[in-house]
Amino acid sequence: TQLLEQSPQFLSIQEGENLTVYCNSSSVFSSLQWYRQEPGEGPVLLVTVVTGGEVKKLKRLTFQFGDARKDSSLHITAAQPGDTGLYLCAGAGTGANNLFFGTGTRLTVIP
Amino acid sequence: DAGVTQSPTHLIKTRGQQVTLRCSPISGHKSVSWYQQVLGQGPQFIFQYYEKEERGRGNFPDRFSARQFPNYSSELNVNALLLGDSALYLCASSLGSTWRGAQETQYFGPGTRLLVL
Repeated sequence: TQLLEQSPQFLSIQEGENLTVYCNSSSVFSSLQWYRQEPGEGPVLLVTVVTGGEVKKLKRLTFQFGDARKDSSLHITAAQPGDTGLYLCAGAGTGANNLFFGTGTRLTVIP
Repeated sequence: DAGVTQSPTHLIKTRGQQVTLRCSPISGHKSVSWYQQVLGQGPQFIFQYYEKEERGRGNFPDRFSARQFPNYSSELNVNALLLGDSALYLCASSLGSTWRGAQETQYFGPGTRLLVL
């Protein structure tokens, strides 16, 4: 079983603050995806990173894939209430046909 | 364009009963995966189907079964329900253009919330 641990588990911040969410594993993944899930809905894909050391930016969100492809981070700049949700990382193992999801980080941005 | 649809949205069952959940993938997608998301946790992989054949199976007991139909829709069946089966059941579809299904972008439906009493 390939485990992905996310930290922190819960995060509550004021609007305008910056934050970083971490996704760590002892396993190597061929790619890693970040999702955001809102109550009553399924996860929505934010980004996929494939290459070790890769950095992708999506507006105020910056995603990084570790050099060894075992970990990843999500940094949000100037958080807004609309960023509130459950953030999930998910790794695709080499040759696997399924995603291994992390434990999730529940973010609340207070106006 | 319609996204992944699932039915029913909510379901209440009692222990020992059986349940069938349904999923319709995005038009043109040939692969369907099922995940179980227990409250407070990330989704756990149950099955993946492609062209009506099982492509992958997670660490779930034989009480869980699934199938895919010629129109690529899918059903997840759970027998002899336990309290611990209470969860959000998510269906995800992908194109199925590569045998490494997890490498493709998977689009998730809203899920079916199952409560077992």
